[in-house]
Amino acid sequence: GDSVTQMEGPVTLSEEAFLTINCTYTATGYPSLFWYVQYPGEGLQLLLKATKADDKGSNKGFEATYRKETTSFHLEKGSVQVSDSAVYFCALSVGSSNTGKLIFGQGTTLQVKP
Amino acid sequence: EAEVAQSPRYKITEKSQAVAFWCDPISGHATLYWYRQILGQGPELLVQFQDESVVDDSQLPKDRFSAERLKGVDSTLKIQPAELGDSAMYLCASSLKGSEMVFGPGTRLTVL
Repeated sequence: GDSVTQMEGPVTLSEEAFLTINCTYTATGYPSLFWYVQYPGEGLQLLLKATKADDKGSNKGFEATYRKETTSFHLEKGSVQVSDSAVYFCALSVGSSNTGKLIFGQGTTLQVKP
Repeated sequence: EAEVAQSPRYKITEKSQAVAFWCDPISGHATLYWYRQILGQGPELLVQFQDESVVDDSQLPKDRFSAERLKGVDSTLKIQPAELGDSAMYLCASSLKGSEMVFGPGTRLTVL
């Protein structure tokens, strides 16, 4: 079945370091791919998305490219801040467009130290 | 900015008791989702509504869980009886056709 696998956390970085969180997926058809962020005590917020191969989603300095050949959607940021500390979830959407059921990875905790 | 509302935010109950969670989606959003997020894991879909109709409840433990959206607006998720393994965050989300899901803040359930 469809699934998402993320790198294990926690990821601990110093402020201004480069961030990569790996995400790979297994899916039939052509899913849309998403990154969500969850700050402590809050619900999930959409960070970025890509709907077809080679699309690059970007927001708040984060970006990820939909790679069909490697079934990956790695999240990157050039310079992290303490305020980026959160749990990041990679997800894919099955069914129609963006309103289909979302399947999430297990989440990766990012801790950024000053 | 419109938000998905959930209540209560926190709930502590004893096993075998009944609990209920409420969700008010963004006005006009026809699709409503209930997800369960166990600590350290990603959210898993429990039930999806399109207006008042259930379109996916394949992962809902129907012996103890029930969900309704009677007028196609707000929704209630109920657990009876609660078990220790039900301790989790219960997230509600809604969406408009062709747009992304918007999640509420969640209800954190602790079963003692």
